[in-house]
Amino acid sequence: DVKVTQSSRYLVKRTGEKVFLECVQDMDHENMFWYRQDPGLGLRLIYFSYDVKMKEKGDIPEGYSVSREKKERFSLILESASTNQTSMYLCASTKIGGHQPQHFGDGTRLSIL
Amino acid sequence: GDSVTQMEGPVTLSEEAFLTINCTYTATGYPSLFWYVQYPGEGLQLLLKATKADDKGSNKGFEATYRKETTSFHLEKGSVQVSDSAVYFCALRTQGGSEKLVFGKGTKLTVNP
Repeated sequence: DVKVTQSSRYLVKRTGEKVFLECVQDMDHENMFWYRQDPGLGLRLIYFSYDVKMKEKGDIPEGYSVSREKKERFSLILESASTNQTSMYLCASTKIGGHQPQHFGDGTRLSIL
Repeated sequence: GDSVTQMEGPVTLSEEAFLTINCTYTATGYPSLFWYVQYPGEGLQLLLKATKADDKGSNKGFEATYRKETTSFHLEKGSVQVSDSAVYFCALRTQGGSEKLVFGKGTKLTVNP
């Protein structure tokens, strides 16, 4: 069965810290995505990656960076966390081509104090 | 740019009531259309999809028909259950090129016994 695993369900960090959110998929998918989900705003794409070491900015990349050193792992990095980055973060992956749906992890609820 | 508009929530129904959640889209060409569901505390799961005009996606008693002439993909279920309480997201993937999804803002459904 398809599995996208996010390393933490809940995370609390302090303003100014460097924060790493990890995501691993076991389906050999080429594409991986990071979204944030906020009430009333739905899902907004932060970054996505279509191959190892490849990345593209989404709609709201400011304050974030990503890393994809291996095909199965996609990391989201908050360089210097701020309170307005408190949110639910969702990782997803999909196979390239066709009408493939995205498969999501369970999310990480991040609080920045 | 491409966009998805969903009816505003929240929606509250009694068990066995009929459900409609409206979704309209703006996109060039022939996008693929999806409905995702998010149960409390979980990530998004694909509920159903349609890839061309007049296609009907169906799953777990839910249905949605891809209407090119009205650019709509309304979600329906004839008799809802308490277990259907969740947030529902309409999404599109543009034809060709990027694997990105564009999401609506989500509609929260609560079904009371």
